Amino acid sequence: EPEVTQTPSHQVTQMGQEVILRCVPISNHLYFYWYRQILGQKVEFLVSFYNNEISEKSEIFDDQFSVERPDGSNFTLKIRSTKLEDSAMYFCASSTGTGINSPLHFGNGTRLTVT
Amino acid sequence: QKEVEQNSGPLSVPEGAIASLNCTYSDRGSQSFFWYRQYSGKSPELIMSIYSNGDKEDGRFTAQLNKASQYVSLLIRDSQPSDSATYLCAFQTGANSKLTFGKGITLSVRP
Repeated sequence: EPEVTQTPSHQVTQMGQEVILRCVPISNHLYFYWYRQILGQKVEFLVSFYNNEISEKSEIFDDQFSVERPDGSNFTLKIRSTKLEDSAMYFCASSTGTGINSPLHFGNGTRLTVT
Repeated sequence: QKEVEQNSGPLSVPEGAIASLNCTYSDRGSQSFFWYRQYSGKSPELIMSIYSNGDKEDGRFTAQLNKASQYVSLLIRDSQPSDSATYLCAFQTGANSKLTFGKGITLSVRP
């Protein structure tokens, strides 16, 4: 079964450094998402992306964050200058469309640790 | 603010029992509801989806939706130790594809 793949599985970085988290969505999916989950807390929406542009973003997704689909397969999340509070599990997801008949498929996540 | 509340846990049931997981939501415009299962350190995995009032059954799982009461639940029959995980309730509103998640309830099935 096709799946969403994320790399790396674990990223350790120093505060103030830039990180890029990478995702390869399922090939026929058109909608792409990033979520994050701070340890012990809920899964939080960051951003959705469709037709090569951001369709929605949350308050968390400030100017330090950006997303890109540099080619036909990758979908990346960049954090420009990491803070301690950015430490979390970051999940990429994709779907064929919107609504109940287009469930989100999640990748295995990247655990980001900012020291 | 659109919120999802899940009844406090953790929930512990013996093997073979029925586990009942509940979720309330604040946004009356919510249209689609989802239950995800998340094992520790892993990603959410879709278990059930529902958008019509009433029950929807899939194997040992039954999702129940009551839009008037803004309430959605998940029943797990014949609970197994492998069902031990955190169960996340989530909803979508309208054409918006974004999911809003609850904090989750941790289920432990005792052998």
